[in-house]
Amino acid sequence: DAGITQSPRYKITETGRQVTLMCHQTWSHSYMFWYRQDLGHGLRLIYYSAAADITDKGEVPDGYVVSRSKTENFPLTLESATRSQTSVYFCASSAGGGSYNEQFFGPGTRLTVL
Amino acid sequence: LAKTTQPISMDSYEGQEVNITCSHNIATNDYITWYQQFPSQGPRFIIQGYKTKVTNEVASLFIPADRKSSTLSLPRVSLSDTAVYYCLVGDPMNSGGYQKVTFGTGTKLQVIP
Repeated sequence: DAGITQSPRYKITETGRQVTLMCHQTWSHSYMFWYRQDLGHGLRLIYYSAAADITDKGEVPDGYVVSRSKTENFPLTLESATRSQTSVYFCASSAGGGSYNEQFFGPGTRLTVL
Repeated sequence: LAKTTQPISMDSYEGQEVNITCSHNIATNDYITWYQQFPSQGPRFIIQGYKTKVTNEVASLFIPADRKSSTLSLPRVSLSDTAVYYCLVGDPMNSGGYQKVTFGTGTKLQVIP
């Protein structure tokens, strides 16, 4: 199916474990984004990618690692999960940068770190 | 970073017109874009403009000549319009020529029956 998908939709893990959240889009959009959303904080950008092999930090990158070897995939890895990383994670993609290009969001991954 | 300022929350009765104003320090010639987010869903685009007025089937957007603010207008809201509304503008391009946006905390609109 066309669109943007995230997996898993729900994940429970323990402190110190490595976790990878997957994001896949079928539009061949050049830009992809990872956001986290916590109560009272709105959407905060973790990392974004302007194209394959081009990534840059957002507002809250510490504790996260991204890669983008293929245009359609943009995985987010928590190398050693902490309780403060309990959040809802949204992936998005757009044809270009800035606010002119509409961002299309995935359904989100709810991550709980115990 | 491009900075936007919106009210944290608003309440409105069904059938009323709702206006949400956002102030922004635009450092680019970027568009002003508004998104809507329902609980447990990702945001979705609702309207965008550069200056003056834009109207679509969902909302109207008013942008004054100085572009330092914008107002999202939702006509005759219903309970299904209860959501968080974000205004955003693009951040300045980084050294590589790539551009992101900052969403901020948005305005939580509660429509009351």
